[in-house]
Amino acid sequence: GDSVTQMEGPVTLSEEAFLTINCTYTATGYPSLFWYVQYPGEGLQLLLKATKADDKGSNKGFEATYRKETTSFHLEKGSVQVSDSAVYFCALSEGYSSASKIIFGSGTRLSIRP
Amino acid sequence: SAVISQKPSRDICQRGTSLTIQCQVDSQVTMMFWYRQQPGQSLTLIATANQGSEATYESGFVIDKFPISRPNLTFSTLTVSNMSPEDSSIYLCSVEYGYTFGSGTRLTVV
Repeated sequence: GDSVTQMEGPVTLSEEAFLTINCTYTATGYPSLFWYVQYPGEGLQLLLKATKADDKGSNKGFEATYRKETTSFHLEKGSVQVSDSAVYFCALSEGYSSASKIIFGSGTRLSIRP
Repeated sequence: SAVISQKPSRDICQRGTSLTIQCQVDSQVTMMFWYRQQPGQSLTLIATANQGSEATYESGFVIDKFPISRPNLTFSTLTVSNMSPEDSSIYLCSVEYGYTFGSGTRLTVV
């Protein structure tokens, strides 16, 4: 079945460092891809999404590009802040042709040092 | 995107009891989804709830333990029955296409 594999955490960086969190997927169809963020003690928030190949999702300085040839959707940010400390989940949905349930990766905990 | 309200936001319950979680959406949707997030883990789909039909459960989840109601196109409930400490988790609802989630119910069973 469909699955998502993302970078093991925790990841610890200094403020203003460059961030990459790797995510690859396995899917039989043409999934939509997502990054969600979960701040400490809070619920899940959609950070960005991309619905077709070569689309770039972006939000709050984060970016990810849907790469069909490498089945990847890596999350990047040029300069992280302490407030970016959270757990990040890569996910996919099979899209409009199915039940649109979301399949999540295992999550990557990110900690930013001042 | 749909706005999803979920309650309670958190609860502490005695083992052997049941808790019903409510999910209210600000627009009509055909499908609603219930997820579980165990401590330190990712999210796992419990079931899909369509209005007017029985919920569809994922492998490892059964109706007797997690009964779901879907009385109309904007509302659903999930009940966690006969709770044990292993049921301590965050429970979240979501809807079709919107890819948004409720704020979650943090359940602790003692």
